[in-house]
Amino acid sequence: SQQGEEDPQALSIQEGENATMNCSYKTSINNLQWYRQNSGRGLVHLILIRSNEREKHSGRLRVTLDTSKKSSSLLITASRAADTASYFCATDSNSGGSRLTFGEGTQLTVNP
Amino acid sequence: DGGITQSPKYLFRKEGQNVTLSCEQNLNHDAMYWYRQDPGQGLRLIYYSQIVNDFQKGDIAEGYSVSREKKESFPLTVTSAQKNPTAFYLCASSIFSDWAIYGYTFGSGTRLTVV
Repeated sequence: SQQGEEDPQALSIQEGENATMNCSYKTSINNLQWYRQNSGRGLVHLILIRSNEREKHSGRLRVTLDTSKKSSSLLITASRAADTASYFCATDSNSGGSRLTFGEGTQLTVNP
Repeated sequence: DGGITQSPKYLFRKEGQNVTLSCEQNLNHDAMYWYRQDPGQGLRLIYYSQIVNDFQKGDIAEGYSVSREKKESFPLTVTSAQKNPTAFYLCASSIFSDWAIYGYTFGSGTRLTVV
């Protein structure tokens, strides 16, 4: 079963707008990570937030984590056409060791 | 340039054949992983290895086999027992002790098609 589930499945915005993607998960976690995948390529690690953190920033990325709701959001500000990609959240469980479980992703399209 | 290399980029398999996908890393990472990705879907874990000569089944190990004879290498064999092998296969690695800080490093994938 999917540990992480992203919402929405697809998002289309104009360049310059902000994009928000959400992720929900089911079991307790140590941390939650966000990855980006360009079409037909491997995933690239974007940002990690620990279970005791509520918000984290990296450049134009802002991630929040609400462990009481078992949810996270990824905000990309001032989006660019080059941000067009699929975005995945990944979680580890408290008992899962170093293995990650990925959600099904949000396909983001940024129109120039 | 450190990284993780998957080969080949494209692979075609006939029905009933076994094929092996290569994954090599020069990052000195302890742990390596194989994921399968179907169109428009997320990643599902096939096998993973946290140390040489040891590996564990993931969520969808049936029809696949792996070996970890060297730290740098984690080949995946798709056997004839895998009934629906057409997919995009991704290999990843991580520093076992620091994976939660730096996350996984992924290869660029192998697209396997049954013909």
